[in-house]
Amino acid sequence: DIQMTQSPSTLSASVGDRVIITCRASQSISTWLAWYQQRPGKAPKLLIYQASSLESGVPSRFSGSGSGTEFTLTISSLQPDDFATYYCQQYNSYSITFGQGTRLEIK
Amino acid sequence: QVQLVESGGGVVQPGRSLRLSCAASGFTFSAFGMVWVRQAPGRGLEWVAVTWNDGRNKHYANSVKGRFTISRDNSRNTLYLQMSNLRAEDTAVYYCARLSGGGLVLAEYYSDYWGQGTLVTVSS
Repeated sequence: DIQMTQSPSTLSASVGDRVIITCRASQSISTWLAWYQQRPGKAPKLLIYQASSLESGVPSRFSGSGSGTEFTLTISSLQPDDFATYYCQQYNSYSITFGQGTRLEIK
Repeated sequence: QVQLVESGGGVVQPGRSLRLSCAASGFTFSAFGMVWVRQAPGRGLEWVAVTWNDGRNKHYANSVKGRFTISRDNSRNTLYLQMSNLRAEDTAVYYCARLSGGGLVLAEYYSDYWGQGTLVTVSS
């Protein structure tokens, strides 16, 4: 199975900050990568697909980039609603795998 | 609007079986592949199983292969997960989610809609 590793595991930031979360794949996955946001007690929400395509209705402060084995999710100016856990997911194979998550905390 | 509602969770003893259901509405169910994803308490997301829109092709995580079966009834707009020989490590919230397309191509294997989940606890 393809392993997905996110960094950092926890990130402390303030409203208005620009933050970057990284996701690395154990082998090339082209651009078959999605990002999800999960708030406590809630289902995940799709933010980005195919590494850089913004899902409809998702604010433009979210952006994704990367290809091959290294990917990033950037939030350009943190809003109070953005403090949550973020997961990457590869879909380069039928054995879908997620990263372990990055918890974004208020500093 | 798209809705996915899971049911069937509960407390079950190790070695026993349980069937989860996911009722879909607000879209043409037979046009979309579907997945089950689980989340153990305090842990991350783990993909469990996927099925094509017509149910002909299915794939499973190694951790559940041979014990879990994903199926669907397109006439009832319902997805199922039959779980047998349950173990303590199967304890989790189980989410059903819709793939972005029929599931025939890997490009569609991300999920644009998720249910709210149902909790399965395996304990004696």
